Amino acid sequence: AQSVTQLGSHVSVSEGALVLLRCNYSSSVPPYLFWYVQYPNQGLQLLLKYTSAATLVKGINGFEAEFKKSETSFHLTKPSAHMRDAAEYFCAVSEDAGGTSYGKLTFGQGTILTVHP
Amino acid sequence: EPEVTQTPSHQVTQMGQEVILRCVPISNHLYFYWYRQILGQKVEFLVSFYNNEISEKSEIFDDQFSVERPDGSNFTLKIRSTKLEDSAMYFCASSQAGNIQYFGAGTRLSVL
Repeated sequence: AQSVTQLGSHVSVSEGALVLLRCNYSSSVPPYLFWYVQYPNQGLQLLLKYTSAATLVKGINGFEAEFKKSETSFHLTKPSAHMRDAAEYFCAVSEDAGGTSYGKLTFGQGTILTVHP
Repeated sequence: EPEVTQTPSHQVTQMGQEVILRCVPISNHLYFYWYRQILGQKVEFLVSFYNNEISEKSEIFDDQFSVERPDGSNFTLKIRSTKLEDSAMYFCASSQAGNIQYFGAGTRLSVL
Protein backbone atom coordinates (compact mmCIF):
# COMPACT_ATOMS: atom_id res chain seq x y z
CA ALA A 1 0.00 0.00 0.00
CA GLN A 2 1.18 3.49 -0.72
CA SER A 3 1.02 6.49 1.58
CA VAL A 4 2.23 10.07 1.79
CA THR A 5 3.04 12.23 4.77
CA GLN A 6 3.50 15.97 4.48
CA LEU A 7 5.20 17.49 7.48
CA GLY A 8 3.61 20.77 8.44
CA SER A 9 0.07 21.64 7.52
CA HIS A 10 1.01 25.34 7.39
CA VAL A 11 4.26 26.95 6.29
CA SER A 12 4.81 30.69 6.39
CA VAL A 13 7.71 32.47 4.67
CA SER A 14 8.66 36.00 3.77
CA GLU A 15 8.72 37.09 0.15
CA GLY A 16 12.16 36.28 -1.26
CA ALA A 17 12.86 33.55 1.30
CA LEU A 18 13.49 29.89 0.60
CA VAL A 19 10.42 27.67 0.37
CA LEU A 20 10.75 24.10 1.66
CA LEU A 21 7.73 21.83 1.79
CA ARG A 22 8.37 18.33 3.07
CA CYS A 23 6.99 15.09 1.74
CA ASN A 24 7.77 11.51 2.71
CA TYR A 25 6.23 8.53 0.98
CA SER A 26 5.93 4.83 1.27
CA SER A 27 5.36 2.51 -1.64
CA SER A 28 5.79 -1.20 -2.23
CA VAL A 29 7.09 -0.62 -5.75
CA PRO A 30 9.23 2.12 -7.33
CA PRO A 31 6.92 5.10 -7.13
CA TYR A 32 5.88 7.93 -9.33
CA LEU A 33 5.80 11.11 -7.26
CA PHE A 34 4.00 14.36 -7.89
CA TRP A 35 3.48 17.80 -6.46
CA TYR A 36 0.21 19.53 -7.19
CA VAL A 37 -0.78 23.09 -6.29
CA GLN A 38 -4.30 24.28 -5.53
CA TYR A 39 -5.01 28.00 -5.63
CA PRO A 40 -8.14 29.25 -3.88
CA ASN A 41 -11.32 28.07 -5.58
CA GLN A 42 -9.41 26.26 -8.30
CA GLY A 43 -8.57 22.67 -9.16
CA LEU A 44 -5.31 20.81 -8.78
CA GLN A 45 -2.52 21.91 -11.07
CA LEU A 46 0.51 19.71 -11.69
CA LEU A 47 3.72 21.41 -10.52
CA LEU A 48 6.20 18.65 -11.24
CA LYS A 49 6.62 14.91 -11.42
CA TYR A 50 9.21 12.22 -10.77
CA THR A 51 8.88 9.14 -12.96
CA SER A 52 12.21 7.33 -12.41
CA ALA A 53 14.42 9.53 -14.57
CA ALA A 54 16.55 12.31 -13.05
CA THR A 55 16.27 12.54 -9.28
CA LEU A 56 16.21 16.34 -9.31
CA VAL A 57 13.04 17.43 -11.01
CA LYS A 58 12.29 20.95 -12.15
CA GLY A 59 8.73 22.14 -12.42
CA ILE A 60 6.76 25.23 -13.23
CA ASN A 61 7.01 28.57 -11.45
CA GLY A 62 10.60 27.96 -10.30
CA PHE A 63 9.84 24.97 -8.09
CA GLU A 64 11.93 21.85 -7.95
CA ALA A 65 11.99 18.63 -5.96
CA GLU A 66 14.57 15.97 -5.26
CA PHE A 67 13.78 12.28 -5.04
CA LYS A 68 15.83 10.63 -2.29
CA LYS A 69 15.18 6.93 -2.19
CA SER A 70 17.26 6.36 0.94
CA GLU A 71 15.16 8.89 2.83
CA THR A 72 11.88 8.06 1.03
CA SER A 73 11.48 11.79 0.54
CA PHE A 74 10.41 14.14 -2.22
CA HIS A 75 10.67 17.61 -0.73
CA LEU A 76 9.59 20.65 -2.74
CA THR A 77 11.77 23.76 -2.82
CA LYS A 78 11.90 27.18 -4.37
CA PRO A 79 14.85 29.52 -3.78
CA SER A 80 12.82 32.72 -3.56
CA ALA A 81 9.14 32.91 -2.66
CA HIS A 82 6.70 35.22 -4.43
CA MET A 83 3.36 36.42 -3.15
CA ARG A 84 1.69 34.50 -5.99
CA ASP A 85 3.05 31.22 -4.58
CA ALA A 86 0.54 31.39 -1.73
CA ALA A 87 -1.60 28.27 -2.18
CA GLU A 88 -2.07 24.75 -0.89
CA TYR A 89 0.46 22.18 -2.04
CA PHE A 90 -0.16 18.46 -2.25
CA CYS A 91 2.36 15.69 -2.58
CA ALA A 92 1.07 12.50 -4.19
CA VAL A 93 2.36 9.02 -4.96
CA SER A 94 1.30 6.62 -7.65
CA GLU A 95 2.32 3.15 -8.63
CA ASP A 96 2.97 2.38 -12.24
CA ALA A 97 -0.13 2.22 -14.35
CA GLY A 98 -0.34 -1.02 -16.21
CA GLY A 99 0.21 -2.86 -12.97
CA THR A 100 -2.65 -3.27 -10.58
CA SER A 101 -3.24 0.32 -9.58
CA TYR A 102 -4.04 2.03 -12.90
CA GLY A 103 -2.26 5.11 -11.65
CA LYS A 104 -4.35 5.74 -8.54
CA LEU A 105 -2.96 8.76 -6.71
CA THR A 106 -2.60 8.79 -2.95
CA PHE A 107 -2.32 12.31 -1.60
CA GLY A 108 -0.77 13.82 1.46
CA GLN A 109 -2.87 16.03 3.66
CA GLY A 110 -1.61 19.20 2.03
CA THR A 111 0.52 22.15 3.15
CA ILE A 112 -0.82 25.67 3.05
CA LEU A 113 1.92 28.08 2.07
CA THR A 114 1.56 31.68 3.21
CA VAL A 115 3.91 34.32 1.84
CA HIS A 116 4.36 37.55 3.80
CA PRO A 117 5.51 40.79 2.17
CA GLU B 1 -3.95 23.89 -23.79
CA PRO B 2 -6.38 20.99 -23.40
CA GLU B 3 -8.09 20.81 -20.05
CA VAL B 4 -10.51 18.72 -18.07
CA THR B 5 -13.89 20.41 -17.73
CA GLN B 6 -16.33 19.76 -14.90
CA THR B 7 -19.93 20.86 -14.57
CA PRO B 8 -21.60 22.22 -12.58
CA SER B 9 -19.11 24.11 -10.44
CA HIS B 10 -21.49 23.97 -7.50
CA GLN B 11 -24.39 21.56 -6.93
CA VAL B 12 -26.81 21.86 -4.07
CA THR B 13 -29.13 18.94 -3.36
CA GLN B 14 -31.41 17.57 -0.70
CA MET B 15 -30.45 14.48 1.26
CA GLY B 16 -31.73 11.36 -0.49
CA GLN B 17 -31.72 12.89 -3.94
CA GLU B 18 -29.72 11.59 -6.88
CA VAL B 19 -26.99 13.73 -8.37
CA ILE B 20 -24.90 13.40 -11.49
CA LEU B 21 -21.58 15.15 -11.72
CA ARG B 22 -20.23 15.62 -15.20
CA CYS B 23 -16.74 15.71 -16.60
CA VAL B 24 -15.27 16.10 -20.06
CA PRO B 25 -11.78 14.61 -19.99
CA ILE B 26 -8.95 15.57 -22.34
CA SER B 27 -9.84 14.09 -25.69
CA ASN B 28 -7.01 11.60 -26.32
CA HIS B 29 -6.86 10.36 -22.73
CA LEU B 30 -7.69 6.76 -21.88
CA TYR B 31 -7.75 6.65 -18.07
CA PHE B 32 -10.35 8.48 -16.03
CA TYR B 33 -10.66 9.09 -12.32
CA TRP B 34 -12.84 10.60 -9.65
CA TYR B 35 -11.50 11.93 -6.37
CA ARG B 36 -13.15 13.83 -3.57
CA GLN B 37 -11.98 16.26 -0.94
CA ILE B 38 -14.09 16.77 2.13
CA LEU B 39 -13.50 20.24 3.57
CA GLY B 40 -10.28 20.29 5.55
CA GLN B 41 -9.33 16.73 4.64
CA LYS B 42 -7.11 14.93 2.14
CA VAL B 43 -7.95 14.43 -1.49
CA GLU B 44 -9.20 10.83 -1.64
CA PHE B 45 -9.34 8.43 -4.55
CA LEU B 46 -12.80 7.14 -5.44
CA VAL B 47 -12.56 5.22 -8.69
CA SER B 48 -10.55 4.69 -11.85
CA PHE B 49 -12.02 3.78 -15.23
CA TYR B 50 -10.27 2.30 -18.22
CA ASN B 51 -11.41 0.50 -21.34
CA ASN B 52 -15.06 1.17 -20.47
CA GLU B 53 -14.97 -0.45 -17.09
CA ILE B 54 -14.02 0.28 -13.52
CA SER B 55 -10.39 -0.70 -13.01
CA GLU B 56 -10.13 0.10 -9.33
CA LYS B 57 -12.35 1.56 -6.62
CA SER B 58 -11.88 2.58 -3.04
CA GLU B 59 -13.89 1.58 0.02
CA ILE B 60 -15.71 4.89 -0.25
CA PHE B 61 -17.09 3.93 -3.65
CA ASP B 62 -20.00 1.81 -2.45
CA ASP B 63 -23.23 0.81 -4.19
CA GLN B 64 -24.53 4.37 -3.98
CA PHE B 65 -21.89 5.46 -6.48
CA SER B 66 -21.61 4.65 -10.17
CA VAL B 67 -19.63 5.94 -13.10
CA GLU B 68 -20.34 5.98 -16.78
CA ARG B 69 -18.83 7.13 -20.02
CA PRO B 70 -22.06 7.36 -21.98
CA ASP B 71 -20.95 8.88 -25.25
CA GLY B 72 -17.18 8.63 -25.60
CA SER B 73 -16.58 12.16 -24.37
CA ASN B 74 -18.37 12.66 -21.06
CA PHE B 75 -17.46 10.84 -17.86
CA THR B 76 -20.07 11.00 -15.13
CA LEU B 77 -20.26 10.20 -11.44
CA LYS B 78 -23.71 9.40 -10.09
CA ILE B 79 -24.63 9.30 -6.43
CA ARG B 80 -27.99 7.56 -6.11
CA SER B 81 -29.18 8.73 -2.71
CA THR B 82 -27.04 11.49 -1.30
CA LYS B 83 -26.10 11.68 2.35
CA LEU B 84 -24.91 14.67 4.35
CA GLU B 85 -21.43 13.15 4.45
CA ASP B 86 -21.25 13.18 0.65
CA SER B 87 -20.79 16.95 0.81
CA ALA B 88 -17.35 17.54 -0.65
CA MET B 89 -15.43 18.84 -3.64
CA TYR B 90 -15.38 16.19 -6.36
CA PHE B 91 -12.51 16.22 -8.82
CA CYS B 92 -12.38 14.47 -12.15
CA ALA B 93 -8.99 13.63 -13.66
CA SER B 94 -7.82 12.05 -16.87
CA SER B 95 -4.57 10.57 -18.07
CA GLN B 96 -3.23 9.40 -21.37
CA ALA B 97 -1.17 6.52 -20.02
CA GLY B 98 -2.26 6.26 -16.39
CA ASN B 99 0.73 8.05 -14.92
CA ILE B 100 0.30 11.83 -15.16
CA GLN B 101 -3.19 12.94 -14.25
CA TYR B 102 -4.76 16.25 -15.17
CA PHE B 103 -7.49 17.54 -12.93
CA GLY B 104 -10.61 19.58 -13.50
CA ALA B 105 -11.55 22.54 -11.33
CA GLY B 106 -13.97 20.42 -9.34
CA THR B 107 -17.65 20.36 -8.47
CA ARG B 108 -18.59 21.43 -4.98
CA LEU B 109 -21.47 19.23 -3.81
CA SER B 110 -23.52 20.52 -0.91
CA VAL B 111 -26.05 18.08 0.56
CA LEU B 112 -28.67 19.74 2.77
